[in-house]
Amino acid sequence: EADIYQTPRYLVIGTGKKITLECSQTMGHDKMYWYQQDPGMELHLIHYSYGVNSTEKGDLSSESTVSRIRTEHFPLTLESARPSHTSQYLCASSEDLSSRYGYTFGSGTRLTVV
Amino acid sequence: DAKTTQPTSMDCAEGRAANLPCNHSTISGNEYVYWYRQIHSQGPQYIIHGLKNNETNEMASLIITEDRKSSTLILPHATLRDTAVYYCIVSPYNFGNEKLTFGTGTRLTIIP
Repeated sequence: EADIYQTPRYLVIGTGKKITLECSQTMGHDKMYWYQQDPGMELHLIHYSYGVNSTEKGDLSSESTVSRIRTEHFPLTLESARPSHTSQYLCASSEDLSSRYGYTFGSGTRLTVV
Repeated sequence: DAKTTQPTSMDCAEGRAANLPCNHSTISGNEYVYWYRQIHSQGPQYIIHGLKNNETNEMASLIITEDRKSSTLILPHATLRDTAVYYCIVSPYNFGNEKLTFGTGTRLTIIP
């Protein structure tokens, strides 16, 4: 079974704080993605990476940044959190779309900025 | 990427087959049909995908019309745990250019 881990699962933080959401996968997948989803709403792609040292912005503009220094690790950082950043952040990885499992998603981080 | 149209919501009785339709009339020749589901704000879960032939796995069956303009996901014996939002997505199978765009999906409720 594929494994992708996101921490923390829930985070409540004050405005102006710097935060990093962690995402790690043990499958050796080259491709990784960050999606943002407000409750009851669509998932929006905010960042993706096709391998080490590769990062691209997604379809939805985001003030967050990402890095990909190691294949297994794709952290997302907010330099100064604001209430508008309150949302669920979902990380995913894939080998390629023809693989048995397609995209594998983590359980998500539910962020609340107060 | 081609757009998809799905009903906003559907109900299905427990134990019956759940048939979820999806229209993708602008699908192009190199685009696959993918189905994912999301249970109560967990990360979406891959279900199945296909190009033009019908597909079946341990979770579901995918029926694609001959003209590929629509498809149906079939959950053969729905259980309460199948209550979720189901997403139909079309996307090209193209190394280095693969990004799945999720729409609003169909909220399927299994009724006891």
